[in-house]
Amino acid sequence: NAGVTQTPKFRILKIGQSMTLQCAQDMNHNYMYWYRQDPGMGLKLIYYSVGAGITDKGEVPNGYNVSRSTTEDFPLRLELAAPSQTSVYFCASSTDSYGYTFGSGTRLTVV
Amino acid sequence: DQQVKQNSPSLSVQEGRISILNCDYTNSMFDYFLWYKKYPAEGPTFLISISSIKDKNEDGRFTVFLNKSAKHLSLHIVPSQPGDSAVYFCAASSADYKLSFGAGTTVTVRA
Repeated sequence: NAGVTQTPKFRILKIGQSMTLQCAQDMNHNYMYWYRQDPGMGLKLIYYSVGAGITDKGEVPNGYNVSRSTTEDFPLRLELAAPSQTSVYFCASSTDSYGYTFGSGTRLTVV
Repeated sequence: DQQVKQNSPSLSVQEGRISILNCDYTNSMFDYFLWYKKYPAEGPTFLISISSIKDKNEDGRFTVFLNKSAKHLSLHIVPSQPGDSAVYFCAASSADYKLSFGAGTTVTVRA
């Protein structure tokens, strides 16, 4: 039972490059979320989805895009990487409760 | 604007003693509160929660107290154990399953 799987675990990007952070869950959860955590700050919601085909912006969506074509997958796309996007990114999923299951995170550095 | 605040970035406690973590919130629409625990290089894991209709919830060594009039909640860990050394995040929601997180408190349990 894998839970929430995030890949890659680490990545270094150059300014202006693009990449996709992958997130997959095998618990048949409807709700999925992307958060970022900056040093000394709480987790900030980037995007979320309440089901396949439905996504919406969170608190800090600028510079990111998402899609939800299946219940299992919720990839996060960075189109033009900027140093301000250096962070640790967490994907999470939940049923209709508040107990999120988080992935182990992707540490992204933009140089 | 930070709607959930954890004003103590760190807490050091002796093994066997009580750990008390505090959290304040500003949004009066929040009606569900959670605590998450995070070890290094892992995602946060759900610890305990409380609904706004209650003022206390207990689960083993962990108890969460809610004071709605003061917009304050606290997490008590009794007795503290070395495995409790981690970062603890307070989180809150207003019935839409999106969580707002505090910045976290790092707990160190000394032998």
